[in-house]
Amino acid sequence: DTEVTQTPKHLVMGMTNKKSLKCEQHMGHRAMYWYKQKAKKPPELMFVYSYEKLSINESVPSRFSPECPNSSLLNLHLHALQPEDSALYLCASSQGFNRGRGNTFGSGTRLTVV
Amino acid sequence: GQQLNQSPQSMFIQEGEDVSMNCTSSSIFNTWLWYKQDPGEGPVLLIALYKAGELTSNGRLTAQFGITRKDSFLNISASIPSDVGIYFCAGNYGGSQGNLIFGKGTKLSVKP
Repeated sequence: DTEVTQTPKHLVMGMTNKKSLKCEQHMGHRAMYWYKQKAKKPPELMFVYSYEKLSINESVPSRFSPECPNSSLLNLHLHALQPEDSALYLCASSQGFNRGRGNTFGSGTRLTVV
Repeated sequence: GQQLNQSPQSMFIQEGEDVSMNCTSSSIFNTWLWYKQDPGEGPVLLIALYKAGELTSNGRLTAQFGITRKDSFLNISASIPSDVGIYFCAGNYGGSQGNLIFGKGTKLSVKP
């Protein structure tokens, strides 16, 4: 199993809604990541979890709240988002943080905030 | 912060032609990676390079890790329509905050 699975694939939410994005991998990877990607731009790192502990928070607004319940799962809780938060949200995993072996990406969740 | 310069920004080529794109950095990198992203999908790793001078192939794709460790190129031979997409280079310099630094991407269009 060499996949990172993200759900849902598409999400439309209002600015007062609370929703969650989910990510799952069963490759035994110990580092998991959330990226945000706007159209025609490269992915931008948001959060890194290493061994289920938050290692990096790239100054992301508190309306985005990550959670790593176990080594296979990563969630991103969303609350009071703004229209400019509309983007493709990508989850990724790697064998270990900072080993430079390349991240395996999921297909992403296309988020639209209305 | 670290930046990667990726060029060209876009390419329009005829099916069957060869393609070349490259990335340069002002800093030394320990790893160079090349990803391809199709619309609405996540990036897919094509080739990973771990040693200076390393030349690696994956089918019609060939990539090299520059000797100076500050650059990498990706070549695609005999392009086909399914090569269309955005190609990103990414590097890892192994710093304490080290993760992948991405180039801005090369958008490839192939005319049949």
